[in-house]
Amino acid sequence: DTGVSQDPRHKITKRGQNVTFRCDPISEHNRLYWYRQTLGQGPEFLTYFQNEAQLEKSRLLSDRFSAERPKGSFSTLEIQRTEQGDSAMYLCASSLGHDMGSEKLFFGSGTQLSVL
Amino acid sequence: QKEVEQNSGPLSVPEGAIASLNCTYSDRGSQSFFWYRQYSGKSPELIMFIYSNGDKEDGRFTAQLNKASQYVSLLIRDSQPSDSATYLCAVSPSGGSYIPTFGRGTSLIVHP
Repeated sequence: DTGVSQDPRHKITKRGQNVTFRCDPISEHNRLYWYRQTLGQGPEFLTYFQNEAQLEKSRLLSDRFSAERPKGSFSTLEIQRTEQGDSAMYLCASSLGHDMGSEKLFFGSGTQLSVL
Repeated sequence: QKEVEQNSGPLSVPEGAIASLNCTYSDRGSQSFFWYRQYSGKSPELIMFIYSNGDKEDGRFTAQLNKASQYVSLLIRDSQPSDSATYLCAVSPSGGSYIPTFGRGTSLIVHP
């Protein structure tokens, strides 16, 4: 078991470009979460999947953001037409999803996005 | 808006002392409470969780929960310099999606 894997670790892009991040969860975990974290703040929820179904998105999430989890395995998070305010650490986490109400999250190393 | 509040710190304690980290939450229906440790430049790591009122101990860590006061705390005994990190409180609501909401974290510095 290699834990939650995220790629790339760092991404520098110019404003207006599209970026895509990948997350591979722990293999037996059914739930996959995307969070965003800026300096001095805690992780902010973006969206989550139960297997391949995207069950909830934050109402703060711009329509420039889209996420997929085909076949309930890895997930991708795409940001279209990036803005400088999108600069943040994007964290992926997974959980077993079997014991509702006790969501122990296992985080990947994150993708640090810098929009110039 | 469900909120989780933490003092950002930094909290500075000498090596060997007890560090006390506090967290309050707004959703009275919350049922699961977590503490994550985050070293600078790293991702959060789960260190404690608690579901019932009272204390839960794991090694040098003790989590305390008081649902009536909507208050959860983390005590670190015999603090070590390696405990220096940001400690994030997370709360899951009852019902619905159980998505954990995080506080902004408290920075702890343990000085030799």
